[in-house]
Amino acid sequence: GENVEQHPSTLSVQEGDSAVIKCTYSDSASNYFPWYKQELGKRPQLIIDIRSNVGEKKDQRIAVTLNKTAKHFSLHITETQPEDSAVYFCAANRANNLFFGTGTRLTVIP
Amino acid sequence: DTGVSQDPRHKITKRGQNVTFRCDPISEHNRLYWYRQTLGQGPEFLTYFQNEAQLEKSRLLSDRFSAERPKGSFSTLEIQRTEQGDSAMYLCASSPRSSGELFFGEGSRLTVL
Repeated sequence: GENVEQHPSTLSVQEGDSAVIKCTYSDSASNYFPWYKQELGKRPQLIIDIRSNVGEKKDQRIAVTLNKTAKHFSLHITETQPEDSAVYFCAANRANNLFFGTGTRLTVIP
Repeated sequence: DTGVSQDPRHKITKRGQNVTFRCDPISEHNRLYWYRQTLGQGPEFLTYFQNEAQLEKSRLLSDRFSAERPKGSFSTLEIQRTEQGDSAMYLCASSPRSSGELFFGEGSRLTVL
């Protein structure tokens, strides 16, 4: 199956700073790359996704970049706020299924 | 609430017992997924249905695990002869299409003593 690696596993930033989380994938046929946010005790929820026909997508303070040649994609959060504190998961598809990274625990320090 | 619902939310059982979890997806979604999540890990794919057909099952899944979606609506995940290593959060998700957003339920947390 698809192998998705995610780094770092934990990340602490000061409020207002930027946070970057990186993922790599193994299956060159993957064409859909979502990011999910999971708050403590809650369900994972989609925050942004990108398909392989674009290199970058932005939604307010969140952006995702994709490098298909290198098989890696990244999540960028600017002007971080305490409510951004959560675990973030990247994922890549293989056929009809999503395979997730191991997660990054982001802590935004007020 | 028209989201994905799972029942029970918590289950504590003794090793060797059987447990069954139920998932009710968003009504118009024909794709349904089961994932398992342990502490500090991402959701791990278990199995996938399109309507009532089980189209894929993880090779990591023991034959003690079985899932059904008999009428293409709700799904059940049964674990037979539970082991302590089965303790995890079992997440159900549904989607209206292939390679689209997964909508997760709140999960069913299993503790095997």
